[in-house]
Amino acid sequence: DQQVKQNSPSLSVQEGRISILNCDYTNSMFDYFLWYKKYPAEGPTFLISISSIKDKNEDGRFTVFLNKSAKHLSLHIVPSQPGDSAVYFCAASEGAGSYQLTFGKGTKLSVIP
Amino acid sequence: DAGVIQSPRHEVTEMGQEVTLRCKPISGHDYLFWYRQTMMRGLELLIYFNNNVPIDDSGMPEDRFSAKMPNASFSTLKIQPSEPRDSAVYFCASSLALSGGGGGEQYFGPGTRLTVT
Repeated sequence: DQQVKQNSPSLSVQEGRISILNCDYTNSMFDYFLWYKKYPAEGPTFLISISSIKDKNEDGRFTVFLNKSAKHLSLHIVPSQPGDSAVYFCAASEGAGSYQLTFGKGTKLSVIP
Repeated sequence: DAGVIQSPRHEVTEMGQEVTLRCKPISGHDYLFWYRQTMMRGLELLIYFNNNVPIDDSGMPEDRFSAKMPNASFSTLKIQPSEPRDSAVYFCASSLALSGGGGGEQYFGPGTRLTVT
């Protein structure tokens, strides 16, 4: 049973527009969430994270929103650039100091020039 | 910084053969993780080490899988004997110890693509 779900396998967005990637989780013990980006033939790279005590975290063009009551988080990329084309993974961990990450299956984002 | 180094990048082997995957973590990192990525199951944590000691191996699928970390700069994941269903991309990742908070940033290697025929 998948505890972290990314229901959209793929997403296409025009360059300059907003990209919104969604993630749902079922484990109420999860309290720390991360987004990773992965290019072909490379390992995932960390993008942004958020603790459950916050509902928003921003880093440049990337913003993550967390809705704990809905067990939902989203990653917004504004404006989208062709270099953002990659697979984006949502990940979660439970408990302070937990190093065990549970990943979603990923969403492939294509930014069209 | 060279990042996490994995070898080989590609491995093709026949069913029943022993396979050894290698990983060199980022110098100074306290934690090392082995993941497996498949289409069906996505990215799964197999085992992780803290200061060379295995902490949790509950993700290791079968006794055919074993992992060691003889020192702070080297780890191996061994499959013996290998089976076609072991075909996947295996990632190694490392991270620093955290003073607080969960999860934290893990730095991934480029992965080893294993094909068992």
